[in-house]
Amino acid sequence: GESVGLHLPTLSVQEGDNSIINCAYSNSASDYFIWYKQESGKGPQFIIDIRSNMDKRQGQRVTVLLNKTVKHLSLQIAATQPGDSAVYFCAENSGYNKLIFGAGTRLAVHP
Amino acid sequence: NAGVTQTPKFRVLKTGQSMTLLCAQDMNHEYMYWYRQDPGMGLRLIHYSVGEGTTAKGEVPDGYNVSRLKKQNFLLGLESAAPSQTSVYFCASNVNGGNQPQHFGDGTRLSIL
Repeated sequence: GESVGLHLPTLSVQEGDNSIINCAYSNSASDYFIWYKQESGKGPQFIIDIRSNMDKRQGQRVTVLLNKTVKHLSLQIAATQPGDSAVYFCAENSGYNKLIFGAGTRLAVHP
Repeated sequence: NAGVTQTPKFRVLKTGQSMTLLCAQDMNHEYMYWYRQDPGMGLRLIHYSVGEGTTAKGEVPDGYNVSRLKKQNFLLGLESAAPSQTSVYFCASNVNGGNQPQHFGDGTRLSIL
């Protein structure tokens, strides 16, 4: 809901620019990673996922990059639109069928 | 196709009261999960289920109980609510756990006074 985004890091971008949201993960044994988008008052919505045997995966306007050497994940959004404004979460599957979620980043898109 | 449906959407309880949150999914998913989300934090797993009749503890299970009597439903119970349980609760499901996206409901906002 509205209170979820308090005290989160915020990325502010102009409409039409590309956005890059970064995430550091904790477990070098994690083999699956996923990005979610959460709008105010809604549940997390799946955006894109990637397995550890890949470095890059593209979707519609979104690209996920995985750097296993430094345990870093990024989400790139091309031609950012006002509807992209939300909180974005990364998550990793470190085993046992459970996802570990990051704290999230708020994306604010300005006209 | 409703996906994952949570009821109720909002609830206010007094300390010590009990209640049950209901999650229903119509995707025939085996795995179901309950999370809580607090301001400035990511989702934390409370309990999960790998199939009908099974439950398992997650990261923050204390003060909660769950049941999965039917494959499509996953219930989260608070036996004696405490102010620390004020949170937004999300249910999710996926096909068979592991490396599959989890599908989320829109949450239940719970306030304990």
